[in-house]
Amino acid sequence: EAQVTQNPRYLITVTGKKLTVTCSQNMNHEYMSWYRQDPGLGLRQIYYSMNVEVTDKGDVPEGYKVSRKEKRNFPLILESPSPNQTSLYFCASSFGGSAGGHETQYFGPGTRLLVL
Amino acid sequence: DQQVKQNSPSLSVQEGRISILNCDYTNSMFDYFLWYKKYPAEGPTFLISISSIKDKNEDGRFTVFLNKSAKHLSLHIVPSQPGDSAVYFCAASEWEYGNKLVFGAGTILRVKS
Repeated sequence: EAQVTQNPRYLITVTGKKLTVTCSQNMNHEYMSWYRQDPGLGLRQIYYSMNVEVTDKGDVPEGYKVSRKEKRNFPLILESPSPNQTSLYFCASSFGGSAGGHETQYFGPGTRLLVL
Repeated sequence: DQQVKQNSPSLSVQEGRISILNCDYTNSMFDYFLWYKKYPAEGPTFLISISSIKDKNEDGRFTVFLNKSAKHLSLHIVPSQPGDSAVYFCAASEWEYGNKLVFGAGTILRVKS
């Protein structure tokens, strides 16, 4: 089954404790992205990757890191989480890593993070 | 400043009637628009899209209308069904940055049976 998976689905942590949210897709997509969803703000892009070893900042990258060592995986790293990073996080992927054009993005099920 | 706005946080409709969800945008460079549907505890799923060269796109019970001069699009669901109850997100992108989607805040649709 074609899908985007995220782990963990739910996470409660404390301020400053490093954490990683994994994202994996089995559709051989070039493009992958992380979003956060907050009430009244919709989904905002954190980081994206056009292909392996190619990553760039989205609209709200502060406090996050990413890496893309393999095509299928795109982990989101919070080096020192803070309460304002409490949110619902979605990973997404699509074909077409090159700039230009429109491709449908497929989303993972989400990771709900609470930072105390 | 939000470039994509969904001004109605929620909408309640009777089963069998029409649901109309609205979306406004400010960036005139946007040329592709999408609607995503989201159920609780799931990720958004693609519903329907429209290119700026069209003013209407239809897929079964779902129709999206685009009014470029007003920078406005709407999603019509006819007839509405209880299973349509979900959060609907409007999104937009530019051809040059095709994969970069800008989302609205979402509208919660409740279809009452």
